[in-house]
Amino acid sequence: QVQLEQSGAEMKKPGASVKVSCKASGYTFTNYDINWVRQAPGQGLEWLGWMNANSGNTGYARKFRGRVTMTRDISLMTAYLEVTSLTSEDTATYYCARSVTPALGSDFWGLGTLVIVSS
Amino acid sequence: QSVMTQPPSVSGTPGQRITISCSGSHSNIEINYVYWYQHVPGTAPKLLISRNDQRPSGVPDRFSGSKSGASASLAISGLRAEDEADYYCAAWDDRLSEQVFGGGTKVTVL
Repeated sequence: QVQLEQSGAEMKKPGASVKVSCKASGYTFTNYDINWVRQAPGQGLEWLGWMNANSGNTGYARKFRGRVTMTRDISLMTAYLEVTSLTSEDTATYYCARSVTPALGSDFWGLGTLVIVSS
Repeated sequence: QSVMTQPPSVSGTPGQRITISCSGSHSNIEINYVYWYQHVPGTAPKLLISRNDQRPSGVPDRFSGSKSGASASLAISGLRAEDEADYYCAAWDDRLSEQVFGGGTKVTVL
């Protein structure tokens, strides 16, 4: 069955960077895109961007351009999200989610990775 | 503030039918598919409705989606206690070249 297994919770100081991983199984990794979505405490879902797992092409939400990088390791069937220059407003649960294209819905989601930014 | 607007909360009694609205614009809902997600805090969001009105395998037929112009709706009939969750609409926005979510609606079963 399709699974997206995410890395464990992280605690970072303001100004630091964090890299979250998302390991795929149960499907052909390179046939789908990976989207990243986050939810801050008490807030709704917010889309950060997408990455084509085959080509590595990416598209980022305007709000996060320059601060977010999405990459993948095909041999490990793993996608990565790196967020730099963290502030307390980046405290959130970060989800990876599979889709055929970013314009179409995400049919499988990871359980999320909690990132806490605090001094 | 979200690009697409949902009511913050909707409540109903068991067995009742409720609807959740999602108001967008030409650049998102009117010209692209709408998706609905059910999210119980602490768990992975679940795709409930795909491509405006399609239920993925395993989603009960109590859930239905519709779209008209720049608005969409999710209906839940035969409301059950297990339906308590947050519900989000989502669509691609051609003007922003981004996927956008509604602000979310908390469903409470009284």
